[in-house]
Amino acid sequence: DVKVTQSSRYLVKRTGEKVFLECVQDMDHENMFWYRQDPGLGLRLIYFSYDVKMKEKGDIPEGYSVSREKKERFSLILESASTNQTSMYLCASVLGGYGTEAFFGQGTRLTVV
Amino acid sequence: GQQLNQSPQSMFIQEGEDVSMNCTSSSIFNTWLWYKQDPGEGPVLLIALYKAGELTSNGRLTAQFGITRKDSFLNISASIPSDVGIYFCAGQPRNAGNNRKLIWGLGTSLAVNP
Repeated sequence: DVKVTQSSRYLVKRTGEKVFLECVQDMDHENMFWYRQDPGLGLRLIYFSYDVKMKEKGDIPEGYSVSREKKERFSLILESASTNQTSMYLCASVLGGYGTEAFFGQGTRLTVV
Repeated sequence: GQQLNQSPQSMFIQEGEDVSMNCTSSSIFNTWLWYKQDPGEGPVLLIALYKAGELTSNGRLTAQFGITRKDSFLNISASIPSDVGIYFCAGQPRNAGNNRKLIWGLGTSLAVNP
């Protein structure tokens, strides 16, 4: 089974802090994604990566950056956390080629105070 | 960004009842996926559909890829309390090329009364 692991289930950070959310997948998937989920808004794509060191902006990239130095790891960075970034963050990976099925991590509930 | 139209937004049913939900798009899709999300967890893939007209089951769950390729349906038969959660549809548009970005519905929240 594919395993996608996010480094933290819960995080509490202060406004202005730099925050790192880490995601690791163990199935050699080419594509990785970061979403945020807020009540009533569904899953919104922040950034995605289709290869090492490659990244593309999603629908809501403002205030975020990403890093993919190794194929298995995709990091989401909040450069200066703000209260409106309090949310559930979900990482997903997709095989590539003809594969389209996304596999998700357990989520990180981030609270910015 | 683009979104799928998923309905109903929420459902409250009695244990044992059947459930139906659907997703529609204004454009043609190559893939339809159905996920379930338990509270505080990430979504889990239930069923994947790849061909127009395809009907696929996973236990009490059945999903269909619409003939027009612009919609999909998920049915749950004889619901039980552990069916509670949010169900999401997702799909990949025909014009996506090699882009593996999925388009998502806003979810159907299901509550089951024992």
